[in-house]
Amino acid sequence: KQEVTQIPAALSVPEGENLVLNCSFTDSAIYNLQWFRQDPGKGLTSLLLIQSSQREQTSGRLNASLDKSSGRSTLYIAASQPGDSATYLCAVTSGSNYQLIWGAGTKLIIKP
Amino acid sequence: NAGVMQNPRHLVRRRGQEARLRCSPMKGHSHVYWYRQLPEEGLKFMVYLQKENIIDESGMPKERFSAEFPKEGPSILRIQQVVRGDSAAYFCASSPELRYSETQYFGPGTRLLVL
Repeated sequence: KQEVTQIPAALSVPEGENLVLNCSFTDSAIYNLQWFRQDPGKGLTSLLLIQSSQREQTSGRLNASLDKSSGRSTLYIAASQPGDSATYLCAVTSGSNYQLIWGAGTKLIIKP
Repeated sequence: NAGVMQNPRHLVRRRGQEARLRCSPMKGHSHVYWYRQLPEEGLKFMVYLQKENIIDESGMPKERFSAEFPKEGPSILRIQQVVRGDSAAYFCASSPELRYSETQYFGPGTRLLVL
């Protein structure tokens, strides 16, 4: 059974710092891995999608890596800003119907 | 092209009442997923539907929960005789076809509070 874990559960850093969020999964048989952002009381915003054959994806200040064999992904945020404060969710696509299996999220606070 | 629509955005029910959550997928999308997010937890898959068919309901509680996606109209997640433990955010996602390379597009969610 696929399980997704995110560490740390919460993170608070000063503005301007670079930071790394971690995601691990137990079964390497995934189709892809996605990182989402969730603001309090809001919906989900897809940030990056990495196919299983890819090693990384970049979008602006965000870079996500995938090491399928070790069951790990990282989300790197460069030059953090207060507007980056949110919960970041990692999810893998697996199973015959491509449903998403989710981590519990990392709650990120960027202090001005 | 409007995004995935969910309504209501907030729903308050007393224990024992019924809750009906609606999801209108993006235009042209015929695949719908429902996920539930309990407080302070990640999302959990509930059910996957195509038009007029339930394909996978392995994540749905066996009792009180049902889902449908009729030929016309939105997908409905129905919770009968709600209990306090049903309080959660319910998210709907849609995709145009069953392809792992496609991301799922999420609605804003319905936040259900059971008093």
